Amino acid sequence: DIQMTQSPSSLSASVGDRVTITCRASQSISSYLNWYQQKPGKAPEVLIYAASSLQSGVPSRFSGSGSGTDFTLTISSLQPEDFATYYCQHSYPPTFGGGTKVEIK
Amino acid sequence: EVQLLESGGGLVQPGGSLRLSCAASGFTFGTYAMSWVRQAPGKGLDCVSAITGSGDSTYYADSVKGRFTISRDNSKNTLYLQMHSLRAEDTAVYYCAKDAVQYSSSWSNWFDPWGQGTLVTVSS
Repeated sequence: DIQMTQSPSSLSASVGDRVTITCRASQSISSYLNWYQQKPGKAPEVLIYAASSLQSGVPSRFSGSGSGTDFTLTISSLQPEDFATYYCQHSYPPTFGGGTKVEIK
Repeated sequence: EVQLLESGGGLVQPGGSLRLSCAASGFTFGTYAMSWVRQAPGKGLDCVSAITGSGDSTYYADSVKGRFTISRDNSKNTLYLQMHSLRAEDTAVYYCAKDAVQYSSSWSNWFDPWGQGTLVTVSS
């Protein structure tokens, strides 16, 4: 089975910081990689699909890159509403990374 | 507007059974794959089961294979998860999630949107 490993598991950052989260697959998954944001007590919401496509309605400060085994989610300038937990997900079969909690420094 | 409304969660004893339902509206239900994703308290996300739009193909995580059964009634726009032989480690919020790609032959591409979740607690 394909394993998805996210790093770091948590990070502290300030408003305006550039934040990068990585996701590594245990074998090549082409571009079948998606990113979600989850706020406390809420269901996750998709940010990025197919590695680099921005979901409609998601601010352009979010971007995704990568293919094969290594992927990155970047927030170009962290905003107060971005403090949340982020998950990567491989499509087939549906497998999630362990999550990255972004906290206020 | 797409809406997914889960129901059927609650407290059940170890070894017991429960059936979750997800009532869907706002889209052509039978043309989208659907999934159940759970989240144990304070933990990450775990897709336990998925089903294609027609219902002809299903996926189960190893942790629930043989105990859980996913099904759908496209005439009622409803997704189900029948859970048997429940264990303490099945305690979680269970989310119903719609696949984002219409007419996909796969169980899952990416999930959009998700329901609000229903809590299942397995405890004596």
